[in-house]
Amino acid sequence: QSVLTQPPSVSGAPGQRVTISCTGSSSNIGAGYDVHWYQQLPGTAPKLLIYANSNRPSGVPDRFSGSKSGTSASLAITGLQAEDEADYYCQSYDSSLSGSVFGGGTKLTVL
Amino acid sequence: EVQLVQSGAEVKKPGESLKISCKGSGYSFTTYWIGWVRQMPGKGLEWMGIIYPGDSDTRYSPSFQGQVTISADKSISTAYLQWSSLKASDTAMYYCARKEGAHFAYWGQGTLVTVSS
Repeated sequence: QSVLTQPPSVSGAPGQRVTISCTGSSSNIGAGYDVHWYQQLPGTAPKLLIYANSNRPSGVPDRFSGSKSGTSASLAITGLQAEDEADYYCQSYDSSLSGSVFGGGTKLTVL
Repeated sequence: EVQLVQSGAEVKKPGESLKISCKGSGYSFTTYWIGWVRQMPGKGLEWMGIIYPGDSDTRYSPSFQGQVTISADKSISTAYLQWSSLKASDTAMYYCARKEGAHFAYWGQGTLVTVSS
């Protein structure tokens, strides 16, 4: 079981909006630690998508956005495109484990 | 341009030792933490540990403490992940990544390790 909980899968039609949740606890997200999001396209290394809850690295489209509240965080993708089909992971720091933790990952299917 | 280039795929037998590498370029190797992440076949990402090449300060995930050794040679800008006795359950893709603040901004291409008799 991952320390951070994500839905195993989400789906949406092209052009739609989807959200992916990431639920933690008082030792990670709830303790105020930032949440980061990664996109992993099939057969490739993960790529940083959102850092520090809501910041996009250069080159990431503004269709991707992040937010955090309490012990949870969310990744939103608007204007879904076929190329967005990938696995998405959240990551934070956990004080009880004294290290980084990842969510279990969410597979996004574009219908 | 920041780059992390990992060593090639490995096929090993149970009980054998292995050391894989991650060479950084395009930045000051000694001033950023390098982390290692495991991805077992069809599974998610697992944080294994990190090292600060400047002084070799190393931290391990409790799940991997004692199972692997993380090291670095700053003279050649290279970080390492090693096993003394591989198990079939070590079969996975292993990624190195450069840590910036609390996130991993740059990733290596991955090294596939297959352990099979």
